[in-house]
Amino acid sequence: DQQVKQNSPSLSVQEGRISILNCDYTNSMFDYFLWYKKYPAEGPTFLISISSIKDKNEDGRFTVFLNKSAKHLSLHIVPSQPGDSAVYFCAASAESGTYKYIFGTGTRLKVLA
Amino acid sequence: DAGITQSPRHKVTETGTPVTLRCHQTENHRYMYWYRQDPGHGLRLIHYSYGVKDTDKGEVSDGYSVSRSKTEDFLLTLESATSSQTSVYFCAIGTGYSNQPQHFGDGTRLSIL
Repeated sequence: DQQVKQNSPSLSVQEGRISILNCDYTNSMFDYFLWYKKYPAEGPTFLISISSIKDKNEDGRFTVFLNKSAKHLSLHIVPSQPGDSAVYFCAASAESGTYKYIFGTGTRLKVLA
Repeated sequence: DAGITQSPRHKVTETGTPVTLRCHQTENHRYMYWYRQDPGHGLRLIHYSYGVKDTDKGEVSDGYSVSRSKTEDFLLTLESATSSQTSVYFCAIGTGYSNQPQHFGDGTRLSIL
């Protein structure tokens, strides 16, 4: 059973508009959430994270929102740029002593110029 | 970039042959991880290490073994490769604190014919 789900495999957005990527999770013990971005032939790179004690974290054009009651997080990119075209993975971690991440299946974002 | 080197970057081999992938870090991080990335599955943890000679299984560990004889090196071995192990393999390193992101290498593309 997949504990972290990204239900949209792909998303296309016009340059300058907002991109919203979504992620749902099932395990209420998750207490730290991350977004990674991945370009072809490269490893995932860390983008932004949020602790479960917060509901929003912002870093430049990137904002992550966490709704614990709905077990849902989202990544907003404003404004979207062609260089943002990549696969985005959400991940979750629990303070269980194992320091392991559970990743979603990824969403491919294409920003159209 | 975090100092993570994976080798080889590409490998083609035949079913039944042994294969060893290497991950080398220069960050002196305690934790090292091996993931595989497959379409529709995202990133899945194979094995991880929390110190020299200390390793544990991830969610897809069958058919894989690991070893860590030095802090900087983490080896992933497929004792008898199967076609289902064709994948892109990523190594990651971490401090062990769940609120600090893991950093990934650029991956090894492994094809088993």
